[in-house]
Amino acid sequence: NAGVTQTPKFQVLKTGQSMTLQCAQDMNHEYMSWYRQDPGMGLRLIHYSVGAGITDQGEVPNGYNVSRSTTEDFPLRLLSAAPSQTSVYFCASRGDYGEKLFFGSGTQLSVL
Amino acid sequence: SQQGEEDPQALSIQEGENATMNCSYKTSINNLQWYRQNSGRGLVHLILIRSNEREKHSGRLRVTLDTSKKSSSLLITASRAADTASYFCATDPNSGGSNYKLTFGKGTLLTVNP
Repeated sequence: NAGVTQTPKFQVLKTGQSMTLQCAQDMNHEYMSWYRQDPGMGLRLIHYSVGAGITDQGEVPNGYNVSRSTTEDFPLRLLSAAPSQTSVYFCASRGDYGEKLFFGSGTQLSVL
Repeated sequence: SQQGEEDPQALSIQEGENATMNCSYKTSINNLQWYRQNSGRGLVHLILIRSNEREKHSGRLRVTLDTSKKSSSLLITASRAADTASYFCATDPNSGGSNYKLTFGKGTLLTVNP
């Protein structure tokens, strides 16, 4: 199993550009989530999903959109990137009866 | 807002020594988890302790939980250079529903010198 796969690993955007961070998992996990990690701030939850067609907001959802059309994929969209969105983004998933999260390797995003 | 806060922010020890990291949190929890993050990588789950447990062991890891003080500690015994990483506590709040919002602290950076 590949686990949780994130693409791309690195991305540089200009202010105002849009992009989608991809996340896929092959463990048939219903729960998936996106976190951002900033220096000195730890990880903060952006959005999460408890199954296909169901999403909800986390602690810092503004500026980000998500959708969940399949169990495997949970993309994160930045509609108009801002320098404040410069961060490392992590996707994580969890099984129905599990409690621990499985993390992807992250996407380092810079917005200039 | 951050639920868990780790202490210290950074810790440097010699190989073979024990490392202790602490985590304090604010609200009642279902469980508390510890994760490790090597530089430039994703987080890896280490151990979970439930609110009705006081101590748990896994290999060289020992976790304690004091719900009356809202605090937990992670002890790594006989540390190795490969233990060099950031360590995060994460709390699953007891909000009456399912644990959808695992909340992470800011982490402790552990450096183990050979």
